[in-house]
Amino acid sequence: SSELTQDPAVSVALGQTVRITCQGDSLRSYYASWYQQKPGQAPVLVIYGKNNRPSGIPDRFSGSSSGNTASLTITGAQAEDEADYYCNSRDSSGNHLPVFGGGTKLTVL
Amino acid sequence: EVQLVQSGAEVKKPGESLKISCKGSGYSFTSYWIGWVRQMPGKGLEWMGIIYPGDSDTRYSPSFQGQVTISADKSISTAYLQWSSLKASDTAMYYCVRRADYYDSSGYSDAFDIWGQGTMVTVSS
Repeated sequence: SSELTQDPAVSVALGQTVRITCQGDSLRSYYASWYQQKPGQAPVLVIYGKNNRPSGIPDRFSGSSSGNTASLTITGAQAEDEADYYCNSRDSSGNHLPVFGGGTKLTVL
Repeated sequence: EVQLVQSGAEVKKPGESLKISCKGSGYSFTSYWIGWVRQMPGKGLEWMGIIYPGDSDTRYSPSFQGQVTISADKSISTAYLQWSSLKASDTAMYYCVRRADYYDSSGYSDAFDIWGQGTMVTVSS
């Protein structure tokens, strides 16, 4: 089981806004990073730190955090955003090692 | 171009050994941690462990400690993931990743900013 909890599936209408969440105690102390994975492809980093996008990631992707919950928001979802999304942060044990959330499958309707 | 290039797909039998590789290029290989991530068929991402090629400092997820060995040869900018005795349950895609550390006004954060293309390992009798 993962120490970071994500909803298994979320859907959004084309052009609408969707929020994907990640919950875990470690998020009170560490930022989450977010990864997009399309079928048959390696994951890609989309958000890191407080709210930073790597070069090439559209600005419709944004990140936020409050308490034990980190969120990835897609404002104006596009068909190409349909993918699995994973959060990553640290575990809640004394080791503080990285751990991934279980992933959220985003469907764009 | 910064990239991690992994070795090709492997098909092995249970009990066999295996070592897969990940070659970094386009950056200072010894200055970034390199990690390994497992993805079993149809499942999510699992963090396995990480190594700092500069001094070979290595950390493992408790779930993978003793099951695999992570190493690196900085002279050829290559990291490795190896098994001494494979099991059918090791069948998965394995990704190597580069960990980037960030320091800004918000403090410290890190992320896996570069991913290899993945190495599919199939273990079947």
